[in-house]
Amino acid sequence: RKEVEQDPGPFNVPEGATVAFNCTYSNSASQSFFWYRQDCRKEPKLLMSVYSSGNEDGRFTAQLNRASQYISLLIRDSKLSDSATYLCVVNRLAYSGAGSYQLTFGKGTKLSVIP
Amino acid sequence: GAVVSQHPSWVICKSGTSVKIECRSLDFQATTMFWYRQFPKQSLMLMATSNEGSKATYEQGVEKDKFLINHASLTLSTLTVTSAHPEDSSFYICSATKPLAPSEQYFGPGTRLTVT
Repeated sequence: RKEVEQDPGPFNVPEGATVAFNCTYSNSASQSFFWYRQDCRKEPKLLMSVYSSGNEDGRFTAQLNRASQYISLLIRDSKLSDSATYLCVVNRLAYSGAGSYQLTFGKGTKLSVIP
Repeated sequence: GAVVSQHPSWVICKSGTSVKIECRSLDFQATTMFWYRQFPKQSLMLMATSNEGSKATYEQGVEKDKFLINHASLTLSTLTVTSAHPEDSSFYICSATKPLAPSEQYFGPGTRLTVT
């Protein structure tokens, strides 16, 4: 089983639509959780962290369920500029120790917002 | 801020040659730097973790003799792809962490390598 799994996508939605992405992770030792956005041929950029209490940043809402090891991202009122690949990312202490953390990335879900 | 640069941003080389990619933290000293590789339509895969002045820790399946990592200073890490082959063509991305915030990574813009 992959450490981080996401909806395969792609998601093609009209402007103004609400779209939800789901993600599950297998390592219960994972400590922190994020959604990143990656544009074509660019590096990933942090969109938002994800907390158990749920958190919102404008049109974006993220939710974490530790018991079921499930993470979600909701985008309301989609804009053309939201078109990108959304990466679910979990952070854990490195197995090698030394206090360093490692990020594990999901494969990403591609979103295309259509005019 | 926390800015990480990579050089070159893209490179084309012939099979059998070696290519060096630089990763620099421009406005902070990086405790740890990471090297990732991303193939088309795939996720970023961690290749190795490097700490300044010590040997890099490679992930399973990554050949340390093929992907040489040097982290000579707190602001510079280099990845050298030795004897490159077409299957090494990929997007290579580095990231860095600050000393007091080891869980937050700052990513470079990536280097696209094409081996012909």
